[in-house]
Amino acid sequence: QQKVQQSPESLIVPEGAMTSLNCTFSDSASQYFAWYRQHSGKAPKALMSIFSNGEKEEGRFTIHLNKASLHFSLHIRDSQPSDSALYLCAVSGTGYQNFYFGKGTSLTVIP
Amino acid sequence: EAAVTQSPRNKVAVTGGKVTLSCNQTNNHNNMYWYRQDTGHGLRLIHYSYGAGSTEKGDIPDGYKASRPSQENFSLILELATPSQTSVYFCASGGGGQNTLYFGAGTRLSVL
Repeated sequence: QQKVQQSPESLIVPEGAMTSLNCTFSDSASQYFAWYRQHSGKAPKALMSIFSNGEKEEGRFTIHLNKASLHFSLHIRDSQPSDSALYLCAVSGTGYQNFYFGKGTSLTVIP
Repeated sequence: EAAVTQSPRNKVAVTGGKVTLSCNQTNNHNNMYWYRQDTGHGLRLIHYSYGAGSTEKGDIPDGYKASRPSQENFSLILELATPSQTSVYFCASGGGGQNTLYFGAGTRLSVL
């Protein structure tokens, strides 16, 4: 069974800082790697995803994948208080049928 | 954006009672999922479905049943609710050809 682990468990950063969140997975055959963001009391919502090694940037957010290291990460440039949320990483295999989530990283951005 | 609606939003049940959580999606996604979210455990998959009439066990299916009577609807059934099933339950649709998951707003269930 796929094991997905996130680090750190929680993070407090000042507004404007660069934030880095990490996710490791156990199944080298995984094909879909994504970050979901969940604001307090709300549903998780897909933030961005990647399928092949490398980087993908969307606005202030960058996702980086290294399949050989079984690791992917999310970097948030110029962090804002509105970025404060629980960040969940998700991994899926062939066919994108089952999705495995990490326990989450709680991010707090201090104004 | 994909719409997934859960009902009820909040539920208080008694130990040993039957609880049914409902989920409806209007986006014609084949796959639907039930997760529970608990502090310290993240999102854990209970049951999922590939289409009408199909249900599959996820990672923590014990004590839960699922029903997918149509493409749009997917229910989670607790036949004999226990306090350990107190949690927040999320339904999601997507996956397969639509790799992103779209979540409903969640149901907060308390079993007393």
